[in-house]
Amino acid sequence: KQEVTQIPAALSVPEGENLVLNCSFTDSAIYNLQWFRQDPGKGLTSLLLIQSSQREQTSGRLNASLDKSSGRSTLYIAASQPGDSATYLCAGRDSNYQLIWGAGTKLIIKP
Amino acid sequence: DGGITQSPKYLFRKEGQNVTLSCEQNLNHDAMYWYRQDPGQGLRLIYYSQIVNDFQKGDIAEGYSVSREKKESFPLTVTSAQKNPTAFYLCASSIKVGAGGAGELFFGEGSRLTVL
Repeated sequence: KQEVTQIPAALSVPEGENLVLNCSFTDSAIYNLQWFRQDPGKGLTSLLLIQSSQREQTSGRLNASLDKSSGRSTLYIAASQPGDSATYLCAGRDSNYQLIWGAGTKLIIKP
Repeated sequence: DGGITQSPKYLFRKEGQNVTLSCEQNLNHDAMYWYRQDPGQGLRLIYYSQIVNDFQKGDIAEGYSVSREKKESFPLTVTSAQKNPTAFYLCASSIKVGAGGAGELFFGEGSRLTVL
């Protein structure tokens, strides 16, 4: 059964740093993987979706990669800003198209 | 603008009352989902629907009910049988997954239910 893990649960970095958030999954037969951002008390905003046939996707300062062989996806944030502070969640669709969620990484960017 | 609208944003309920949370989408998506989010926990699936007049239980369906009479609407009823209903409820939608569809998920702004 597919499991998705996000470590660390929380991360605090100074403004301007490049950083990487991790998302690990146990079954390489993943259909796709999606990264989301959630601000406190709000819904989730879709950031990037990577299909199983893709290696990475980019949107602005964000780059998401997918390595099925190692069971890992990373979200790279370049030149971090205080406005990037939020909880970041990843979710993978397994071979039955069911979504499996990580618990999220709470990111704090210190001015 | 296209999107998902959830209402109400905040809802207070007395124990023993049923409440219904509304979710409407104008994205022309076939699939709709209800999730529950508790502090410090990941999202848990309550119910989902891939097509009108059909829906399936998720991981924590007990104490909840749904209907899907229209493609645009997927209301969730939290019944008095739900033992711990205080939570943040999120509605989402996507195109049908498979047959070339990626099923990218889009969310509403959420409804916070508090039982007094």
